[in-house]
Amino acid sequence: QQQVKQSPQSLIVQKGGIPIINCAYENTAFDYFPWYQQFPGKGPALLIAIRPDVSEKKEGRFTISFNKSAKQFSLHIMDSQPGDSATYFCAASKSGTASKLTFGTGTRLQVTL
Amino acid sequence: EPEVTQTPSHQVTQMGQEVILRCVPISNHLYFYWYRQILGQKVEFLVSFYNNEISEKSEIFDDQFSVERPDGSNFTLKIRSTKLEDSAMYFCASSPQGILTYGYTFGSGTRLTVV
Repeated sequence: QQQVKQSPQSLIVQKGGIPIINCAYENTAFDYFPWYQQFPGKGPALLIAIRPDVSEKKEGRFTISFNKSAKQFSLHIMDSQPGDSATYFCAASKSGTASKLTFGTGTRLQVTL
Repeated sequence: EPEVTQTPSHQVTQMGQEVILRCVPISNHLYFYWYRQILGQKVEFLVSFYNNEISEKSEIFDDQFSVERPDGSNFTLKIRSTKLEDSAMYFCASSPQGILTYGYTFGSGTRLTVV
């Protein structure tokens, strides 16, 4: 029940395309859903996060869509660029003073010219 | 921009040896974490630390693991007797308050190779 399932495992899009990465969770106690971006040899970096009281959040070219009833959330990258090529992880957490993150399995995104 | 600093970046050790991975969290952060990532796999939680004690630990964090904040700035992960399956990237992270407000900042990691 602690798992976060992520798909697809890898994704190739052309520059300007809109890659969409999907995640699903089971634990209804989760109430914080961040997305992390990881470049090779680096640690994950927080990209954008959402709480379940909103259905969508946009920051720059990155948008999270959240469907509480389906227990699913997704990341959309508008006007994707080659510099967006990285591994993207969704994650989930429960409220708490030192809450741990449960990560999805990651999506390797390649944006081609 | 403030960073979480981890040293060394890469450590090779023989099976059965003790290793200490070091982290310097961001100075005003209060919550500290260790995660690991086996090559090509997802990032997994090991332990969280607050107010000089462990807040939560995973089933991975068994008796061979320990954490310490020895001097108010460093945060260390010790593996007492390393096994081949401990080979992974280990990430330290810190947060100023609860995760819901600020999220985490991760370090660049220490790649541990056990031979």
